[in-house]
Amino acid sequence: GAVVSQHPSRVICKSGTSVKIECRSLDFQATTMFWYRQFPKQSLMLMATSNEGSKATYEQGVEKDKFLINHASLTLSTLTVTSAHPEDSSFYICSARDKGTGKETQYFGPGTRLLVL
Amino acid sequence: AQRVTQPEKLLSVFKGAPVELKCNYSYSGSPELFWYVQYSRQRLQLLLRHISRESIKGFTADLNKGETSFHLKKPFAQEEDSAMYYCALSESGANSKLTFGKGITLSVRP
Repeated sequence: GAVVSQHPSRVICKSGTSVKIECRSLDFQATTMFWYRQFPKQSLMLMATSNEGSKATYEQGVEKDKFLINHASLTLSTLTVTSAHPEDSSFYICSARDKGTGKETQYFGPGTRLLVL
Repeated sequence: AQRVTQPEKLLSVFKGAPVELKCNYSYSGSPELFWYVQYSRQRLQLLLRHISRESIKGFTADLNKGETSFHLKKPFAQEEDSAMYYCALSESGANSKLTFGKGITLSVRP
């Protein structure tokens, strides 16, 4: 089946530094990837939709200069949390839609836990 | 704006008991509804979607447009069904995004 990986799985960084999270579709091409944020015991909140070769579409309230998204290829999207602060600590999850099937199914990555000290 | 409501946070049942996880939605168009499941220490994965009209792991869900509901049901719960379940809605069409409910924890006791 379709597999999505994320790297790193966990990262701890100092306040003010930037952190890059990678999301890869391993066995399919994904023209569209999604980035979510999940707080403890809460639902997934969509941050942005990442389209290959074009700018990401951010949800209301998400700072595009804070959360930089690059979808450079059909199998890779990156999320960079710039100048991270403790309030950015969260679980970040990506998902990808299989271009080949054309279905609405999204395949999810395992998530990246970010802790900003 | 689209919205998905899962009114309960936790459902605890004994093995063999029936299960119904509630989901209501609000959306002005024709939505696609999904149930996603997250087992302990695993990633989120699709359980079923309403357009497939299939039963997965004994679970079924019927879209009721009149009641704007998409409840997930299973007649006889198993311990391995214990997990977090999320109801989600997507607009029809390409590049449509998912809106998730807050999720419900299902605990099946032996």
